Amino acid sequence: AQRVTQPEKLLSVFKGAPVELKCNYSYSGSPELFWYVQYSRQRLQLLLRHISRESIKGFTADLNKGETSFHLKKPFAQEEDSAMYYCALDSGSARQLTFGSGTQLTVLP
Amino acid sequence: NAGVTQTPKFRVLKTGQSMTLLCAQDMNHEYMYWYRQDPGMGLRLIHYSVGEGTTAKGEVPDGYNVSRLKKQNFLLGLESAAPSQTSVYFCASSPGTGNAFFGQGTRLTVV
Repeated sequence: AQRVTQPEKLLSVFKGAPVELKCNYSYSGSPELFWYVQYSRQRLQLLLRHISRESIKGFTADLNKGETSFHLKKPFAQEEDSAMYYCALDSGSARQLTFGSGTQLTVLP
Repeated sequence: NAGVTQTPKFRVLKTGQSMTLLCAQDMNHEYMYWYRQDPGMGLRLIHYSVGEGTTAKGEVPDGYNVSRLKKQNFLLGLESAAPSQTSVYFCASSPGTGNAFFGQGTRLTVV
């Protein structure tokens, strides 16, 4: 069965410091992975997907099939990056998403 | 452009009461989903639908029923609410690309 693991429930960094949010997955097929973000009092929204290989708001994520990881990285964190981040795996014929438990990122001034 | 709209936003139920949560999307998406969000557990899939008139069970379907009579609407029902169903419920729709659009959530408390 598919599974997404985010080992850190809480992560705090100072403004301007690098940040890495970890995500590991288990899936027997060819994975499609996403990062979703939920800012305070806003709805959950897509941040980026591995297929597009793009950088959104300075964030990047590389799919490492050997380590079954999809870590989210940003070289210089900003206070507005404070939010809950979810890693998700597209895992079925109905394109349903399996989510990790989330990491609450706080960027300190 | 409303996107995905959930009704109601908040609700308090007594144990044993029933209610229906409504999800409406205006993007003509085929796929719709209901998730629940609990602290430390992320989002878990309750039920989903791949098109009008179809529904299927997700990871945690017990105690819930759903219907998709119209393409734009996906209803989640609780027939006999239990305290364990206290949660935040999210509806989402997708065009089938894995990019899901979420509603604003419904905070349900069962006392």
